[in-house]
Amino acid sequence: DTGVSQDPRHKITKRGQNVTFRCDPISEHNRLYWYRQTLGQGPEFLTYFQNEAQLEKSRLLSDRFSAERPKGSFSTLEIQRTEQGDSAMYLCASSQRTARETYNEQFFGPGTRLTVL
Amino acid sequence: AQRVTQPEKLLSVFKGAPVELKCNYSYSGSPELFWYVQYSRQRLQLLLRHISRESIKGFTADLNKGETSFHLKKPFAQEEDSAMYYCALTGGTSYGKLTFGQGTILTVHP
Repeated sequence: DTGVSQDPRHKITKRGQNVTFRCDPISEHNRLYWYRQTLGQGPEFLTYFQNEAQLEKSRLLSDRFSAERPKGSFSTLEIQRTEQGDSAMYLCASSQRTARETYNEQFFGPGTRLTVL
Repeated sequence: AQRVTQPEKLLSVFKGAPVELKCNYSYSGSPELFWYVQYSRQRLQLLLRHISRESIKGFTADLNKGETSFHLKKPFAQEEDSAMYYCALTGGTSYGKLTFGQGTILTVHP
């Protein structure tokens, strides 16, 4: 297990196209987060899964965005009808919720850099 | 609403000099604060968290609830400390989601 992986690492698309990103968390982690990072900014929360349940979505996540985590393993983030403003680094992170600690360390993937032309 | 502010976008020091990266936050409850670091060509990783009260790579950070600050300090900076540093906050019913500051790029000159 080499940590959180994301695929693809880079995606260039034309405005109006749909794109899908994949995140594979650390295998025993039950929590999975998606963040978006634009140039010069810190990561911003998009959505969160505990196992297969999507428990929270940011208002940053417009109707064009959808995320899934079937079977509580890998997750996908789809953006429909991409816009130039969607250009950003999309980060995935996972953590393990234990009975003892509520906020455990999040392990981040390398990110998927999206460029919308 | 929760917010994290890192007032310095860039910070440059010489090797061996003390360094302090500032972080201020706003949060209505009892937050949990973290420092994350991203070295060149590497992924974002946890440096330290306030509940651990540890010194990691010579860095320490004390949560000051009165001043709502969580500044990161190191008495003697090393060249390998050059990186992007993010202060982050979580708490309440946020399921551990992190609110990040804008980040500070630390450059340690030889």
